[in-house]
Amino acid sequence: AQSVTQLGSHVSVSEGALVLLRCNYSSSVPPYLFWYVQYPNQGLQLLLKYTSAATLVKGINGFEAEFKKSETSFHLTKPSAHMSDAAEYFCAVTSNDYKLSFGAGTTVTVRA
Amino acid sequence: EPEVTQTPSHQVTQMGQEVILRCVPISNHLYFYWYRQILGQKVEFLVSFYNNEISEKSEIFDDQFSVERPDGSNFTLKIRSTKLEDSAMYFCASTRQGGNSPLHFGNGTRLTVT
Repeated sequence: AQSVTQLGSHVSVSEGALVLLRCNYSSSVPPYLFWYVQYPNQGLQLLLKYTSAATLVKGINGFEAEFKKSETSFHLTKPSAHMSDAAEYFCAVTSNDYKLSFGAGTTVTVRA
Repeated sequence: EPEVTQTPSHQVTQMGQEVILRCVPISNHLYFYWYRQILGQKVEFLVSFYNNEISEKSEIFDDQFSVERPDGSNFTLKIRSTKLEDSAMYFCASTRQGGNSPLHFGNGTRLTVT
């Protein structure tokens, strides 16, 4: 079975500041990891995915995430926050069995 | 870009009533899923569907739930006799390939059971 833990249910950053969202995973087999974003009243949109190729994964909207096996982590970062980044972010894991396990989500607010 | 569409966006029903949540997956996708998110809780897997049958279901997906692909485009989730605890946002998703292929999600249907 796989699971993810997102540290921090709420993150507040200033516009232009670094965004760092933490995700740690647990998996008995090599994991596939994803970050999804949910804007208000919308569905889940894929930001990026890790599928055992490069450990540093670049996604949409300037986000990237680094897979660190030694730390069982897959933290999401963006160097400079924009107001439009305000949303809820979900880390998810699967082991190639068609089923995603999601974290509890982290809500990002961006201060002007 | 093709989208997964869900209708209605909001459904209110009385306890004990049957509801059908509708989804139109992306047209060339082969794998279909339902997830739900109870307010304040994690997004949870309900069921996956491939080749006109359920491939996997969670313990949440009991006998009151069923899924169907009645034609070439729609994918439905039926809740036979709704309970208060079924109130949640229900997300449909699809993907062309299974396994680790990213899921494309719809905007969800908010189900409120009163």
